[in-house]
Amino acid sequence: SQKIEQNSEALNIQEGKTATLTCNYTNYSPAYLQWYRQDPGRGPVFLLLIRENEKEKRKERLKVTFDTTLKQSLFHITASQPADSATYLCALEDTGGFKTIFGAGTRLFVKA
Amino acid sequence: EPEVTQTPSHQVTQMGQEVILRCVPISNHLYFYWYRQILGQKVEFLVSFYNNEISEKSEIFDDQFSVERPDGSNFTLKIRSTKLEDSAMYFCASSEKRGQYNEQFFGPGTRLTVL
Repeated sequence: SQKIEQNSEALNIQEGKTATLTCNYTNYSPAYLQWYRQDPGRGPVFLLLIRENEKEKRKERLKVTFDTTLKQSLFHITASQPADSATYLCALEDTGGFKTIFGAGTRLFVKA
Repeated sequence: EPEVTQTPSHQVTQMGQEVILRCVPISNHLYFYWYRQILGQKVEFLVSFYNNEISEKSEIFDDQFSVERPDGSNFTLKIRSTKLEDSAMYFCASSEKRGQYNEQFFGPGTRLTVL
């Protein structure tokens, strides 16, 4: 069955460092992959989408890579700030494009 | 900036009762979704809706669930006979397009507590 795996352990980093989060998937051949941010008690907020023919995508301090051979996406936050503390979710669409499957998310804590 | 709104923010109900959760998607969006998130767990897809019909539904979305777009603005999720395990946060989302242009905008959620 299709599966998305994100590191369930929280990631603790110091302010100013780069945070790297991992998303692995199995039994998928996605045309694109999305990353969302979720704060406690709030709905997910879309951050970035990367397509299968794009190796890398950047938006301000965010960078996403997509390796369809490894079936993995990496999400980087450079020059991290305490305000970046949140849960980051990886999401994939099924083939038809009407069903989005989310990973369990990785909780990021950025310490001042 | 346009946003998705949901009401109520918190709903408490007795097991076996019917509940209706309401959502107002962003006005020019065409695709609508419901998700649920049990406390401490991942966001789970329930159903997607386009052109006044269900496009896709998950195994969670059984006969106890239904969705409706009763007018041009509201999008509702009905649970006919609630169970304890339906207690969760329910998120509505909408998008202008689908596929690789599918940026979904989520509402703030309705916390459903079934006693």
